[in-house]
Amino acid sequence: DAKTTQPNSMESNEEEPVHLPCNHSTISGTDYIHWYRQLPSQGPEYVIHGLTSNVNNRMASLAIAEDRKSSTLILHRATLRDAAVYYCILKTSYDKVIFGPGTSLSVIP
Amino acid sequence: DAGVIQSPRHEVTEMGQEVTLRCKPISGHDYLFWYRQTMMRGLELLIYFNNNVPIDDSGMPEDRFSAKMPNASFSTLKIQPSEPRDSAVYFCASSSRDRGRNYEQYFGPGTRLTVT
Repeated sequence: DAKTTQPNSMESNEEEPVHLPCNHSTISGTDYIHWYRQLPSQGPEYVIHGLTSNVNNRMASLAIAEDRKSSTLILHRATLRDAAVYYCILKTSYDKVIFGPGTSLSVIP
Repeated sequence: DAGVIQSPRHEVTEMGQEVTLRCKPISGHDYLFWYRQTMMRGLELLIYFNNNVPIDDSGMPEDRFSAKMPNASFSTLKIQPSEPRDSAVYFCASSSRDRGRNYEQYFGPGTRLTVT
């Protein structure tokens, strides 16, 4: 499976936008980019996914570089409830999701 | 829908005992996944099923671990005999093809297993 690289941790101030980067230089043409997050003491939850175009949903936006070798998850206004570990994943096989270490996001009041 | 249901939420057992973790996927979902999470190794996929059939069990650590899915609404993960290094949080997740090729996985709350 292709690998992703994320910073170990990031900090953000409450109510400010947060840009979480992810590098995936070995991505193949059929790989989708998925983001999940895991709040403390909970199971992971799906956030968003995309292939080539930027995507928006109620939780976040996903910006994908033109060469697809990197992407950025954007939280438009961070809240304390957004403090979590964020996982960037390339879905290479039909069904499997392989989690890396992710980025631990801290939100400062 | 109630979401993915796992039981028990917490399990404390002694080394050598048999442990059975249970999972009820979301109704209508045809994929079921078992994960294990530890501080050292993060989230690891152990095994997954499609239509009750095991598809990939390459993540199962050893023969002490076994998983079954006797029907679409129930799965078990069994550890026999248990060892202290099996202490972890075990998550069950389910998903469906109905949403298209790249559908999301829904995770349960997890079972925290402690083996003493």
